[in-house]
Order: sequence, then C-alpha cells, then structure tokens
Amino acid sequence: KAGVTQTPRYLIKTRGQQVTLSCSPISGHRSVSWYQQTPGQGLQFLFEYFSETQRNKGNFPGRFSGRQFSNSRSEMNVSTLELGDSALYLCASSTTGDRTDTQYFGPGTRLTVL
Amino acid sequence: QQQVKQSPQSLIVQKGGISIINCAYENTAFDYFPWYQQFPGKGPALLIAIRPDVSEKKEGRFTISFNKSAKQFSLHIMDSQPGDSATYFCAASRGDDKIIFGKGTRLHILP
Repeated sequence: KAGVTQTPRYLIKTRGQQVTLSCSPISGHRSVSWYQQTPGQGLQFLFEYFSETQRNKGNFPGRFSGRQFSNSRSEMNVSTLELGDSALYLCASSTTGDRTDTQYFGPGTRLTVL
Repeated sequence: QQQVKQSPQSLIVQKGGISIINCAYENTAFDYFPWYQQFPGKGPALLIAIRPDVSEKKEGRFTISFNKSAKQFSLHIMDSQPGDSATYFCAASRGDDKIIFGKGTRLHILP
C-alpha cells in the first residue's frame, strides 16, 4: 500500500497570505488528522476528520481550517498567515480514527512564512 | 493538567547501551500512552503503546514501563544501535479527546 502523501513538501509564503495544504491518506483509511510541529511547541493536534466530518479540534485560532472529501483526501487552510505559523504540518491517517488505531503519518509540508 | 512532560531533551548513548526516556503526566483520566519515533525528514511512526492496566510492555528491544501511582511512564531501548538515532515522542490521550504529545527527546547513539 502506498503511504500517506502530502503536497507540497515545501512552501514559502509571506505574512497575510493564505495557504492550502493537501493530504492523501492510505487507501481504505477514513480518518485524517492534522498536526503542527515546531521546535518550541513540539507536536500539536489541529483537527481530525472522519467521513467528511470534523470530529475533534485542537486549540488553534479560526484561521486554521480543514475539510475532507468523499474520497477521504483532506485539505487544511491557513488564512492571514503569521510568522509564527512557520512549521512542519503533518497529516496522519488511520482506519477508524479511534485513538488506539495506529496512525500513519505523512512526511509533512514545511511551511515558511516570511 | 493536559501537559505531558518529557525528559531529557537530548540523550547520547554508546552503542550497545540502554537508552531511557521518561514522561510524566498530570491528568489521571489519560488511559492510552503511545510512543512515536521520528527520523529526519519523515513523519512520526508509532513504536509501541501501553494502557495503564499493565506495568510493562515489551516489543523487541523496546520496553515501556508504566507507573500509574507516580503518573510516569518511560521508554527503554535495550542494546541501542546507531539506527535508533531519532527523535522520540511520548503521548497520552483519553476518551474522544485529542492526543497530547511530549516535547520530544533527540537520541543519538554513538557508533
């Protein structure tokens, strides 16, 4: 099976712009979660989608949003970018999204905000 | 109460030695504790996980020890190898709530 893929792998944006990141889960996986990874804050949960519905959300401002399509592919959007949004954004997929279900992470999208 | 505190931040171990990484939590409602391994340029990968109803779980050279009364759990890597050099994250979760990660430990195994 192909692993989780994320596009693009690298992105450079300027403050105030918006960005859309894409995640294709492993075939058959219906749950997709997004995480932000920074040196200072570590790994932080953004949100989780299952069958096109957001089931859980982390403590991030409304500028961070996401969606999931009927084929389980997911996108996350960050509007009005700030310097502090520079991070590695990771997507993970699992079969059911149950917390004991193994999550498989993609390689991430490295976002740099100038 | 939602934090998971991980130590040390970085660790250097001789090849063949035992690597030990510790985590502590406050929320007694946490009931699932996974460990993840992350290599540079890759996403984290689940290494091993434990529930609080057992005190130890072993998979190959990797062992989780769990102390419920002290609210601590640790990862032991026996016979550490250079290929184990990576960043390790502990985590905790409960119910339908979001997973909380420790800040990570950068492990380097000297050849």
